[in-house]
Amino acid sequence: GENVEQHPSTLSVQEGDSAVIKCTYSDSASNYFPWYKQELGKRPQLIIDIRSNVGEKKDQRIAVTLNKTAKHFSLHITETQPEDSAVYFCAASHNTGANSKLTFGKGITLSVRP
Amino acid sequence: DTAVSQTPKYLVTQMGNDKSIKCEQNLGHDTMYWYKQDSKKFLKIMFSYNNKELIINETVPNRFSPKSPDKAHLNLHINSLELGDSAVYFCASRLAGGAGELFFGEGSRLTVL
Repeated sequence: GENVEQHPSTLSVQEGDSAVIKCTYSDSASNYFPWYKQELGKRPQLIIDIRSNVGEKKDQRIAVTLNKTAKHFSLHITETQPEDSAVYFCAASHNTGANSKLTFGKGITLSVRP
Repeated sequence: DTAVSQTPKYLVTQMGNDKSIKCEQNLGHDTMYWYKQDSKKFLKIMFSYNNKELIINETVPNRFSPKSPDKAHLNLHINSLELGDSAVYFCASRLAGGAGELFFGEGSRLTVL
């Protein structure tokens, strides 16, 4: 089955700096890669996703890049703000109908220092 | 309107007891999931149902029994609770096909004493 590794496990940045979170996956059939943000005590929520036919996607201050050959994808957050502090999860799945499942990485705790 | 709602939000119980968590979604999705989030924040899939049919069972102990009376509801019953069952249980849903957003409920924090 799919195995998603996420590193580092914690990351601390100064407000205004950029943050990069990296993930690797094992199943070359995976073709959908979302990122979820979970604030303390809240539910995980999708912030951005990318499909395997695209190499990069941007949405305001966040972007995701995908390298299918190396089987890794990254989340980039620019101009970080204290409200970006949260746990970020990467995930991977392949679209095979009803039995498709998202496999999550272990999460990274991002702290943005004011 | 809450898209995916779970009840109860908090459960505190003794070892050996049986408890249930209910989940409902009003998004019209046909696939629902249960995830377990342990103290280390790891999100692990337990079950998925598609149109009331069990699709994924990730080698969860058979003390855990999901039930889906219709495609908008997925409940989780846990028998003979153990200390290691303490976690936050998230219900989630999405459209079948796997490429859409997974919507999570608010989570149900289970504490077994």
